Amino acid sequence: KQEVTQIPAALSVPEGENLVLNCSFTDSAIYNLQWFRQDPGKGLTSLLLIQSSQREQTSGRLNASLDKSSGRSTLYIAASQPGDSATYLCAVSKAGANNLFFGTGTRLTVIP
Amino acid sequence: GAVVSQHPSRVICKSGTSVKIECRSLDFQATTMFWYRQFPKKSLMLMATSNEGSKATYEQGVEKDKFLINHASLTLSTLTVTSAHPEDSSFYICSAIDRLAGTGNIQYFGAGTRLSVL
Repeated sequence: KQEVTQIPAALSVPEGENLVLNCSFTDSAIYNLQWFRQDPGKGLTSLLLIQSSQREQTSGRLNASLDKSSGRSTLYIAASQPGDSATYLCAVSKAGANNLFFGTGTRLTVIP
Repeated sequence: GAVVSQHPSRVICKSGTSVKIECRSLDFQATTMFWYRQFPKKSLMLMATSNEGSKATYEQGVEKDKFLINHASLTLSTLTVTSAHPEDSSFYICSAIDRLAGTGNIQYFGAGTRLSVL
């Protein structure tokens, strides 16, 4: 069974710092990997999606990388802002299936 | 962009009552919708996969008679929590796949429903 782990569970940084969130998964037979943002009591907002054949995706200050063979992904956030404070979830989908396996999330706090 | 509407956003009910949650794809047709549950400080766990016009597929450990799923049209799936008990209190989130967008299996998520059973 696919298991997705995110480290750290919580992170506090001062505004302006660059930071990296980590995600690891046990089964490398994935179709794609997504990074989501979840604000307290809210649904999910998709940030980046990386297909299994890709190595990275970028959107603004966000950059996500994927190393499928080692079962790892990172989300890099440049020049963090207080508005980036949220829980970040990574999720992988399995080849041939539609459902997503989610990690436990990293709760990010950016201090003004 | 693809929008998924989930209603209600918050519901408080007495133990023993049934609660229906709706998930609608507003600007696309969804052949497949998913229902997830999230307990406090935990990640999302898939409960069931809902396919339009057929029975839902439930994950192991999820009682199909307690969590009734109906996907009667390409834009609407409902989850009914029957005879709700306090242990059913959780955050329920649906998602949908746009079958015509050519975006593969990208899921678009609703805003979630916070269920509190007294």
